[in-house]
Amino acid sequence: AQSVSQHNHHVILSEAASLELGCNYSYGGTVNLFWYVQYPGQHLQLLLKYFSGDPLVKGIKGFEAEFIKSKFSFNLRKPSVQWSDTAEYFCAVNAPSTDSWGKLQFGAGTQVVVTP
Amino acid sequence: EADIYQTPRYLVIGTGKKITLECSQTMGHDKMYWYQQDPGMELHLIHYSYGVNSTEKGDLSSESTVSRIRTEHFPLTLESARPSHTSQYLCASGRDSTDTQYFGPGTRLTVL
Repeated sequence: AQSVSQHNHHVILSEAASLELGCNYSYGGTVNLFWYVQYPGQHLQLLLKYFSGDPLVKGIKGFEAEFIKSKFSFNLRKPSVQWSDTAEYFCAVNAPSTDSWGKLQFGAGTQVVVTP
Repeated sequence: EADIYQTPRYLVIGTGKKITLECSQTMGHDKMYWYQQDPGMELHLIHYSYGVNSTEKGDLSSESTVSRIRTEHFPLTLESARPSHTSQYLCASGRDSTDTQYFGPGTRLTVL
């Protein structure tokens, strides 16, 4: 079955530390990859996405992600986090070659807490 | 800021009540989706629509029903709510199958 795995459920780190959140998926074929973020009390919103082209994708607020096709991975990174990065982060995938409706498969999410 | 709205934001009701969760978007998107999310868990797709008068069930079985009479409106109905329906319900929309999905703020439903 198709699935999306996020390696960590909870991450606690200090301000200025580097962040890397793992995401692996089990789809074959062409995929579109997304990272969404949900800040406390706010909507789920797009952080960045990869459809094609340069596998290193830059998103909002200094985040970036690298698509490594051979590893079926799309890890999210930020070199230096801030307290305002405290949020829940979701990796999501859709596979337009097998599903024309754009249905997203989400990972379970990673709760990130940044301490001052 | 995405123009997608959900009401109510919070709802506490008794078992057996009929409820409708509202979702509207002003972006003219054809694709709309309903997800269910329990705390600490992934989002599960329960319904989707690719246009007016089209609805499909998602990957997670749900006793809810949906309708799509207008492009901008995609309400979800529970005919007889039960405690097992307690969850957060998120509505989303997108232009096409490869587009970003834009999410509403969610409705947190508690059935007593």
